[in-house]
Amino acid sequence: DIQMTQSPSSLSASVGDRVTITCQASQDISNYLNWYQQKPGKAPKLLIYDASNLETGVPSRFSGSGSGTDFTFTISSLQPEDIATYYCQQYDNLPPALTFGGGTKVEIK
Amino acid sequence: EVQLVESGGGLVKPGGSLRLSCAASGFTFSSYSMNWVRQAPGKGLEWVSSISSSSSYIYYADSVKGRFTISRDNAKNSLYLQMNSLRAEDTAVYYCARRGVHVDYWGQGTLVTVSS
Repeated sequence: DIQMTQSPSSLSASVGDRVTITCQASQDISNYLNWYQQKPGKAPKLLIYDASNLETGVPSRFSGSGSGTDFTFTISSLQPEDIATYYCQQYDNLPPALTFGGGTKVEIK
Repeated sequence: EVQLVESGGGLVKPGGSLRLSCAASGFTFSSYSMNWVRQAPGKGLEWVSSISSSSSYIYYADSVKGRFTISRDNAKNSLYLQMNSLRAEDTAVYYCARRGVHVDYWGQGTLVTVSS
């Protein structure tokens, strides 16, 4: 089974800061990697799909990069509304299993 | 507007059973694979099960295989999860989620608590 290692598990940054989260797969997953945002008490929301594609309606301060085993998620200028936990998620098509990273809780300093 | 509304959660004793439902609207339900994903209190997300649009292909996480059964009724735009032999570690919020190429819409979740 593929394992997804996400880091850091939490971070604290100031409004306007650049925030970077990494996700490492235990084997090559090409670009089959998505990023989700989950606010407290809410369902996850898809932000980035296929490693680097911005979901419709998502602000451009969010971005993703990487392929193979190493991936990065970036918030270029942290906003108060970005306080949430972010998850990377690897997906397979056959079988269609989903594997999530452990999550990164982002807080305002 | 795509909507997914889960129901059926609650408190159940270890070894008990529960059936979750997910009512879908705002899209052609029969065209999409559907998933159940759970989240234990204060923990991360865990995929539970998936079912293809026509129910031809069904998959489970090892942690629930043999105990949980996913099903759907396309005529009723509904997804189900029958959970048997429940354990304390099954305590979680259970989300239904739509999958086209990606899992793009989620319900608000229903809480299942397994405790004596």
